[in-house]
Amino acid sequence: DAGVIQSPRHEVTEMGQEVTLRCKPISGHDYLFWYRQTMMRGLELLIYFNNNVPIDDSGMPEDRFSAKMPNASFSTLKIQPSEPRDSAVYFCASRSGTGVEKLFFGSGTQLSVL
Amino acid sequence: AQSVTQLGSHVSVSEGALVLLRCNYSSSVPPYLFWYVQYPNQGLQLLLKYTSAATLVKGINGFEAEFKKSETSFHLTKPSAHMSDAAEYFCAVSGLGGGATNKLIFGTGTLLAVQP
Repeated sequence: DAGVIQSPRHEVTEMGQEVTLRCKPISGHDYLFWYRQTMMRGLELLIYFNNNVPIDDSGMPEDRFSAKMPNASFSTLKIQPSEPRDSAVYFCASRSGTGVEKLFFGSGTQLSVL
Repeated sequence: AQSVTQLGSHVSVSEGALVLLRCNYSSSVPPYLFWYVQYPNQGLQLLLKYTSAATLVKGINGFEAEFKKSETSFHLTKPSAHMSDAAEYFCAVSGLGGGATNKLIFGTGTLLAVQP
């Protein structure tokens, strides 16, 4: 398996633009997580899905952020409109039903909002 | 609610010296505790985990951590640092039961530098 695949690796955009980050989890994994990493706040859990259903979105910072998982092999995190304070590395991770620690992380998307 | 606090955002040691990275946890339920490592431009990888069995846990690459309930701590150690240990290290907590078992809450990370 190729692991968790995220795209793009780097995204540079201007304030106010819409940004869409993409994630393909490992085949067979039924949990998918979106994390955001910044110097100030470390690694924050934004939202997670189980069997394509959002379970906990309490970490989503505000309404500008939305996440979807239309099927078991694809998820998106969208920011609209983007702001400079959204600049961060966004990680997607997936795991199977057992073993909370057995998260497999993607390589992340480095987002810069100018 | 659960959280972890990592003391020291940057730690620098000499090659061959002891590595000690500190983590204290807060949890309203018996915790599961973890250490992850992140190498540059990569995602996180699991180093070791504590899940209520032995309090001294051994992980990969010679790292180990000891769960101390009285101190609410789970510090990470390695007797002798190697240059390849330079990375960022994250402590994480999960809980028992219900939604608490489904998600990991991470600390803010400690960047370890190893000097030759």
